Amino acid sequence: DTAVSQTPKYLVTQMGNDKSIKCEQNLGHDTMYWYKQDSKKFLKIMFSYNNKELIINETVPNRFSPKSPDKAHLNLHINSLELGDSAVYFCASSQAGPTGDTQYFGPGTRLTVL
Amino acid sequence: GNSVTQMEGPVTLSEEAFLTINCTYTATGYPSLFWYVQYPGEGLQLLLKATKADDKGSNKGFEATYRKETTSFHLEKGSVQVSDSAVYFCALSSNDYKLSFGAGTTVTVRA
Repeated sequence: DTAVSQTPKYLVTQMGNDKSIKCEQNLGHDTMYWYKQDSKKFLKIMFSYNNKELIINETVPNRFSPKSPDKAHLNLHINSLELGDSAVYFCASSQAGPTGDTQYFGPGTRLTVL
Repeated sequence: GNSVTQMEGPVTLSEEAFLTINCTYTATGYPSLFWYVQYPGEGLQLLLKATKADDKGSNKGFEATYRKETTSFHLEKGSVQVSDSAVYFCALSSNDYKLSFGAGTTVTVRA
């Protein structure tokens, strides 16, 4: 009965590879997000989709491309991985509405680029 | 733009000590304020929230009051336990779908 799930939990890969992280929520929420947490625990939003429409696209290299096949899924594809992409990536979801809604986070995917 | 400033850690306490983590914010409009907690190896969980001025959020013995006049949302707990060891994040949301997080404060409680 996991609310927000991500796969894989750990991802170790070589520089230059392409990889994807998948996220699914079973809460019936309309909005989903991707966050990046760096080694100092700092969290920054990357993307957000509302009803499959991109509504937030922060200053992120275009090697990162989110895809939302339906309201319950938001995947993150990363091309040509670089060392600096190593981080923990969190997916989150919330009900419709831009403010005041609790965001529910997945367990995170720890990406290590060698 | 929106921003959140919280006290730097790490913070180390003994069990049953009083915990305060300061958080101040800058925002346009009327933001909602949150405290999230991240236990070791896990994702973030909502600890408490407040959506308007003078609201008090509370959960698991933690409290925080939305103070518009001082733009603050300080987190307090009267008697911490070892199980409270975690990273605590103050955050705000203001009419733009984004959560703006503070830098996080690592709290370690020793038995």
